[in-house]
Amino acid sequence: GAVVSQHPSWVICKSGTSVKIECRSLDFQATTMFWYRQFPKQSLMLMATSNEGSKATYEQGVEKDKFLINHASLTLSTLTVTSAHPEDSSFYICSARQGGQPQHFGDGTRLSIL
Amino acid sequence: QKEVEQDPGPLSVPEGAIVSLNCTYSNSAFQYFMWYRQYSRKGPELLMYTYSSGNKEDGRFTAQVDKSSKYISLFIRDSQPSDSATYLCAMSADNAGNMLTFGGGTRLMVKP
Repeated sequence: GAVVSQHPSWVICKSGTSVKIECRSLDFQATTMFWYRQFPKQSLMLMATSNEGSKATYEQGVEKDKFLINHASLTLSTLTVTSAHPEDSSFYICSARQGGQPQHFGDGTRLSIL
Repeated sequence: QKEVEQDPGPLSVPEGAIVSLNCTYSNSAFQYFMWYRQYSRKGPELLMYTYSSGNKEDGRFTAQVDKSSKYISLFIRDSQPSDSATYLCAMSADNAGNMLTFGGGTRLMVKP
């Protein structure tokens, strides 16, 4: 149980394009979803928290116009990196939780901007 | 000083060894404690979840929490090469974690 699916697992695109990453909770309804960024050999850095039907709450230093988050249903959240540049290249990981349960993580998306 | 400190390793042990992974923290409000395992290029996988002080056992894994010392541990018995991964401790003051504070992770290598 508590499976979180993230897609795509790897994406390469040209500088200036926008990239959408999907995060789905497959066997539970996620009241809250989270988006993290992870640099090599470092721990996870929380970017934003979203509740279904509400605007996401962004952490300090994270540009909300750059990283658009939509949490349209209890099983789906999307992160769109707009006008991506090489410095946005990173490993992006989503997580989801239901009620008082711990967060469960997706397998991450490796984003490479050329 | 970081809120959660974790030795980055790498920690290298022979197959079959008992492994001890540890985190210390400074925020006495933390009540929920988690251990995640992360394989290379994968997301973290929840291994253990405990509330407040005490021990919890699940198969080869035992989690210990000592709130008085602000110290948590994860023990792995009969370690296997497949246990080679990065282990992240995480903790939260709220109900199982809207706001998780992670340790930096310990990289474990179990050699056959």
